[in-house]
Amino acid sequence: DAGVTQSPTHLIKTRGQQVTLRCSPKSGHDTVSWYQQALGQGPQFIFQYYEEEERQRGNFPDRFSGHQFPNYSSELNVNALLLGDSALYLCASSLAADKAFFGQGTRLTVV
Amino acid sequence: GQQLNQSPQSMFIQEGEDVSMNCTSSSIFNTWLWYKQDPGEGPVLLIALYKAGELTSNGRLTAQFGITRKDSFLNISASIPSDVGIYFCAGRKAAGNKLTFGGGTRVLVKP
Repeated sequence: DAGVTQSPTHLIKTRGQQVTLRCSPKSGHDTVSWYQQALGQGPQFIFQYYEEEERQRGNFPDRFSGHQFPNYSSELNVNALLLGDSALYLCASSLAADKAFFGQGTRLTVV
Repeated sequence: GQQLNQSPQSMFIQEGEDVSMNCTSSSIFNTWLWYKQDPGEGPVLLIALYKAGELTSNGRLTAQFGITRKDSFLNISASIPSDVGIYFCAGRKAAGNKLTFGGGTRVLVKP
């Protein structure tokens, strides 16, 4: 049983560019959440998707957007990248309100 | 925004020792989760707590959901070298809602 998988594992982008990160949830899970983890800090909630709709959003600007597909996989898009967007981006999946399981993350570096 | 305070921020362990860490909040959470994160990896779920006063074990790990619902504790008994890593607590206010993370407790091996 594959767990949560994220791609790519590492990414380097230039300031001002756009990036798309991908997540496949654990088998049987229908809810996907995205988190940003800066170096030395705990993860910060970006948003959550359920039934292809954004159900809840954290304190992140509109440059951060997402999508959930009918097979429950999800994408995180960030536009107009800033140096401060450099972080580990984590995807977590769960079945409804149950325990959240994380992927290995995508390390984004903005130069 | 809402924050969880974890203490200690870091600790050194010697093989065989018992260690304790805690997580406190100014507001009530309905679920507490404990995760361990190794360098370059995503957080791995250790224990989930759903009810005030609940005490749950997972091997050498034991966690408790505080009676006030504003805190949680994690104990590791008879520590071994692979216990090194960063331990995060996370709280959830209601079913399906976002996870709020603490800043982590970094566990290191005594030189």
